[in-house]
Amino acid sequence: SQKIEQNSEALNIQEGKTATLTCNYTNYSPAYLQWYRQDPGRGPVFLLLIRENEKEKRKERLKVTFDTTLKQSLFHITASQPADSATYLCALDIGSSNTGKLIFGQGTTLQVKP
Amino acid sequence: NAGVMQNPRHLVRRRGQEARLRCSPMKGHSHVYWYRQLPEEGLKFMVYLQKENIIDESGMPKERFSAEFPKEGPSILRIQQVVRGDSAAYFCASSPRQGATVYEQYFGPGTRLTVT
Repeated sequence: SQKIEQNSEALNIQEGKTATLTCNYTNYSPAYLQWYRQDPGRGPVFLLLIRENEKEKRKERLKVTFDTTLKQSLFHITASQPADSATYLCALDIGSSNTGKLIFGQGTTLQVKP
Repeated sequence: NAGVMQNPRHLVRRRGQEARLRCSPMKGHSHVYWYRQLPEEGLKFMVYLQKENIIDESGMPKERFSAEFPKEGPSILRIQQVVRGDSAAYFCASSPRQGATVYEQYFGPGTRLTVT
């Protein structure tokens, strides 16, 4: 069955540094991959979507890469701030014809220290 | 434009009772998804609905769980005869998906169900 793995350990970095989160998947060839942010007690918030034919996508301080050969996506936050502290989830659409049936990784918790 | 709305935000039920969770998608969105998040676990897909149709319910437990999205009104996730293992956060998401075009999903704040 399809499986997504994210760094299970929390990532602690200093303010101003670049945070890099990893998402690996197996047994699937997704047409696209998404990243979400989730704060405690709240619903996930969409951040970025990258398609299989896109190597890289950027939005402000965020950058996502997608390597379909390695079956891996990297999520970068540059010039990190304490407000970036949250859990970050990657998600794949495993529905037939990309129906939006998402499977999520466990998430990586990022802590940015001032 | 109001976001996805869910109510109640917190729901406490005794074992054996019924739980009804409501979700109003964002204006203009006709696709609704329900997910469950158990403590210390990731989000799990349950069901995908369009107006008056269940498109994919492969993540729903076979018994006690049902979902609907009527022509008028919110989407409802119904859990009959709740058990302690049903305690979780239930999230609804909506999408403006049209045809084969993929869109992101917008999540509600969730309903936290506690079964005592």
